[in-house]
Amino acid sequence: AQSVAQPEDQVNVAEGNPLTVKCTYSVSGNPYLFWYVQYPNRGLQFLLKYITGDNLVKGSYGFEAEFNKSQTSFHLKKPSALVSDSALYFCAVRDSMNTGFQKLVFGTGTRLLVSP
Amino acid sequence: EAQVTQNPRYLITVTGKKLTVTCSQNMNHEYMSWYRQDPGLGLRQIYYSMNVEVTDKGDVPEGYKVSRKEKRNFPLILESPSPNQTSLYFCASSLGGGLADTQYFGPGTRLTVL
Repeated sequence: AQSVAQPEDQVNVAEGNPLTVKCTYSVSGNPYLFWYVQYPNRGLQFLLKYITGDNLVKGSYGFEAEFNKSQTSFHLKKPSALVSDSALYFCAVRDSMNTGFQKLVFGTGTRLLVSP
Repeated sequence: EAQVTQNPRYLITVTGKKLTVTCSQNMNHEYMSWYRQDPGLGLRQIYYSMNVEVTDKGDVPEGYKVSRKEKRNFPLILESPSPNQTSLYFCASSLGGGLADTQYFGPGTRLTVL
């Protein structure tokens, strides 16, 4: 069965520093990977996705993610963190081996805290 | 504005009192889903729908019902809520159900069952 792991419950970074939120995946076919962000008292907002092609995917709000097939990872990155980036981040995967509705499987989430 | 809306946003109820959480999307999406979010567990799919009158179970369907009588609406029904259904619920929709289709989420409904 497909799964994703977010090994860090929380990531702390100072404003202006680069940030990385880690995600590793396990699928039986080709991975289709997504990142979502949840701000306090808000729903999940789509950030970016990897389907195929370039291993560096650019998304909303200056975020990007690097797909690494050999390490089965899809880490979320941003060159310079903002305090307003503080939120809960979810990695998710779809498994191309399934038929029918391609369910999203979510990680447990990583809380990002950016300090001024 | 393209969006998924849910109502109510907050609900406190008592065990056994039937309730419905509504979900509506204005993007003409075929697929809709319900998830629950619990600390340390991420989001888990409850039910999904591929089209009008077509629904199927997700990973945690026990204690829930859904219906899809219209394309835009996908209500979640708890016929006899229990305290273990206290959670944050999200509705989502996507144009298709394929691998590359992006799911768009509603703002969430925080349910407390006493």
